[in-house]
Amino acid sequence: IAGITQAPTSQILAAGRRMTLRCTQDMRHNAMYWYRQDLGLGLRLIHYSNTAGTTGKGEVPDGYSVSRANTDDFPLTLASAVPSQTSVYFCASSDSGGVTQYFGPGTRLTVL
Amino acid sequence: KNEVEQSPQNLTAQEGEFITINCSYSVGISALHWLQQHPGGGIVSLFMLSSGKKKHGRLIATINIQEKHSSLHITASHPRDSAVYICAVSGGSNYKLTFGKGTLLTVNP
Repeated sequence: IAGITQAPTSQILAAGRRMTLRCTQDMRHNAMYWYRQDLGLGLRLIHYSNTAGTTGKGEVPDGYSVSRANTDDFPLTLASAVPSQTSVYFCASSDSGGVTQYFGPGTRLTVL
Repeated sequence: KNEVEQSPQNLTAQEGEFITINCSYSVGISALHWLQQHPGGGIVSLFMLSSGKKKHGRLIATINIQEKHSSLHITASHPRDSAVYICAVSGGSNYKLTFGKGTLLTVNP
């Protein structure tokens, strides 16, 4: 692994189903982030984690949850997906010494 | 009002033209970022700056802290520069970014 990876690349999901988007980084970055990107709205922060064991809410956290059990992984869970959660989801990470963020390739999620 | 405003929203240029994309922000910041996103592609950080000017190849980023304004310039534009350019600002201790909505640049051959 080099950098930050996300899985799956894309997913079509029925409304009401539970879904976990995976994010893994191998840069030993302390901070990790989940964004959604929607046409006309740009990137919006869903949840973040400044270090393993801590998480915080971003701009649009409702309907999403995260966990940070270790430095490398930061999964995003939709407990009961709704069509308004159709979006492209980006995971990112940064080290605690600076704020340049490194982005994963994204997950395109469609909720029907 | 958004905390980060970009202009223009869309920009079409001919190959070789000098391009400027603007970003204004309304909050105190520790740094301003310019990012690039190619169609269907991932997001790459181009610059992070807190003062003055930075240059990387044909790309130049400037920031005026007093005026809360930054510009991204592309010299001798090329079709491969076609992408969405995103301005973002960071501040505080959480390293969280606040993004502009992006500028879609199309460079025609």
